Amino acid sequence: QKEVEQNSGPLSVPEGAIASLNCTYSDRGSQSFFWYRQYSGKSPELIMSIYSNGDKEDGRFTAQLNKASQYVSLLIRDSQPSDSATYLCAAADSGGGADGLTFGKGTHLIIQP
Amino acid sequence: DAGVTQSPTHLIKTRGQQVTLRCSPKSGHDTVSWYQQALGQGPQFIFQYYEEEERQRGNFPDRFSGHQFPNYSSELNVNALLLGDSALYLCASSVTPGQNTDTQYFGPGTRLTVL
Repeated sequence: QKEVEQNSGPLSVPEGAIASLNCTYSDRGSQSFFWYRQYSGKSPELIMSIYSNGDKEDGRFTAQLNKASQYVSLLIRDSQPSDSATYLCAAADSGGGADGLTFGKGTHLIIQP
Repeated sequence: DAGVTQSPTHLIKTRGQQVTLRCSPKSGHDTVSWYQQALGQGPQFIFQYYEEEERQRGNFPDRFSGHQFPNYSSELNVNALLLGDSALYLCASSVTPGQNTDTQYFGPGTRLTVL
């Protein structure tokens, strides 16, 4: 059974610092990885996708993928109070996501002003 | 550019009843996936529709069924509702599977409460 594991938190980070979120996945066939942000009572909002080993940067966000270790991470630089949310890590297989995304339970991030 | 839309926003039903939820995909998208998100959990994959057919199903009973229309919109039907079906139901749209573009964009969700 495919699984994505995340530390549920809460993870508390001071404003302006770097927040580091991690997840591991069980299915070596997973090829695509996604980070979603979800505010309380709202739906998931895509932050980044990553497909290849290494780093991918988009503004204050950097996603990192290590397929050998089956590990995905998200770094948020210059954290802002508005970054406080639950961050969901998701994995998809090589079939274009036809098996659906497999999500972790999410990490609750709190940015302290 | 219209995003994914879902209706209704909230719904209250009693045990044993049936419910239909609706979703319109993002403009240019032809694939719809449905997820169930219980409180404090990550979304769980129910099924995916492409070309008006169910392409793949997650670990959900047959009480959960769906449909996709020629305009790519989709419905999720749940029969014989149980208390445990109370959750946020999410629709996500994407472009044609297998074309190296599997990013899914979520709608606002439908909050279903079963009493």
